[in-house]
Parts: sequence; structure tokens; C-alpha cells
Amino acid sequence: DVQMTQSPYNLAASPGESVSINCKASKSISKYLAWYQQKPGKANKLLIYDGSTLQSGIPSRFSGSGSGTDFTLTIRSLEPEDFGLYYCQQHNEYPFTFGSGTKLEIK
Amino acid sequence: EVQLVETGGGLVQPGRSLKLSCVASGFTFNNYWMSWTRQAPGKGLEWVASITNSGGSTYYPDSVKGRFTISRDNAQNTLYLQMNSLRSEDTATYYCTRERPRGLFDYWGQGVMVTVSS
Repeated sequence: DVQMTQSPYNLAASPGESVSINCKASKSISKYLAWYQQKPGKANKLLIYDGSTLQSGIPSRFSGSGSGTDFTLTIRSLEPEDFGLYYCQQHNEYPFTFGSGTKLEIK
Repeated sequence: EVQLVETGGGLVQPGRSLKLSCVASGFTFNNYWMSWTRQAPGKGLEWVASITNSGGSTYYPDSVKGRFTISRDNAQNTLYLQMNSLRSEDTATYYCTRERPRGLFDYWGQGVMVTVSS
């Protein structure tokens, strides 16, 4: 199975700042990496897929980059509603696997 | 608006069975693959099962293969997960997800809790 390693585990930032979350696959997954946001009481949301393609309806302050084994989610100009948990997931091969999550908190 | 509503969760003893349901609305159900994903308390996400739009093919990780069965009723816009031989490690919130092949979960339900304990 492809292991997905996310870093950092926790991240604290202020509204208006930019942050980056990293995700490393244990082997090449080409471009097939997705990012999800999880918030209490809300359905999980697909943000980015194929490494850098923005899901419909997601604000352009979210961006993804990378290929092969190393990927990054960047959020520019943080809004209050951006705080929560973020997960990466490889969608290159079965079984689909997720990273352990990054908690983005308000500083 | 896409809606996915899961039901059927609860407390079940180890070794017993439970069947989850998910009613879908807001999209043409029989055009889409569907999946189940779960999250143990305080843990990360784990893909559990996928089914093609026709129901003709299904996919599972080794952790549930042979114990869980995903199925669908396209006439009723309903997805199912039959869970047999349940173990304590199956305790989790189970999410119904719409899937864009392969492995892209673009809509999620709110989840239903399953607790396996004696």
C-alpha cells in the first residue's frame, strides 16, 4: 500500500497569512493527489485533485503543487473559515490511502 | 444540491453484523460510482469500499475484504454497506461518498457512527 506522510501535524497561523502543508508518498503516484478539508459539523470537502486542479466552487486562495512523491497544499490570505483539519489522499492506485492529517489552528 | 444521508449505525457486539444505508439526492445516482470511507475516533480517514455506477464491480482494501459488501439500488437511489464479522477496530464514523473514478470523493455525507463493543 502507498503510505502518505503529512507534515506538519499542527499548524497555527493568523487570518491573512499564508501557510503550506506537505504530503509525501512512499512511492510515485504521478499527479494523483487530492486534498480534503474537514470541519466539525460539516461534510468533508474536496479541495484539490490531480495534484493541482481546483475543485469547482473552491476559492482560488487554495492551490496545490507537486508530482511523483512530494506535494504541497498552499492557502494564501487565510480566512477565518479555513481553520480545520486537512488530509491528503492518493488516488493513483488501490487501496486509496490518506495522510494522517494536519490541524490548522488560529494563532 | 447533492445530499448523502447515512443511516443504520449503532452499537453492535463483536462478531455480529450491521447494514448501513445511504440515500442520495440532487444528482443522477446511476451515473456515479459510490464509496464508503470511515474514520476511527481521533484517527484519520480510511477508504472502505467502492462500487461502479452499474453495481457490476466492487473494490475493497484487505482490512475489510471478505467481511464487508458494498451494494446499491439505483431505482431507490440508495447505497448499502453490509458489515459482517465485526471487530472492535471497525469502530468508526462511516461516510457515504460520491466517487469520480477512480478514488476521488467529491461529496460526503455527514457520517454515521458504528461502535463494536461487548
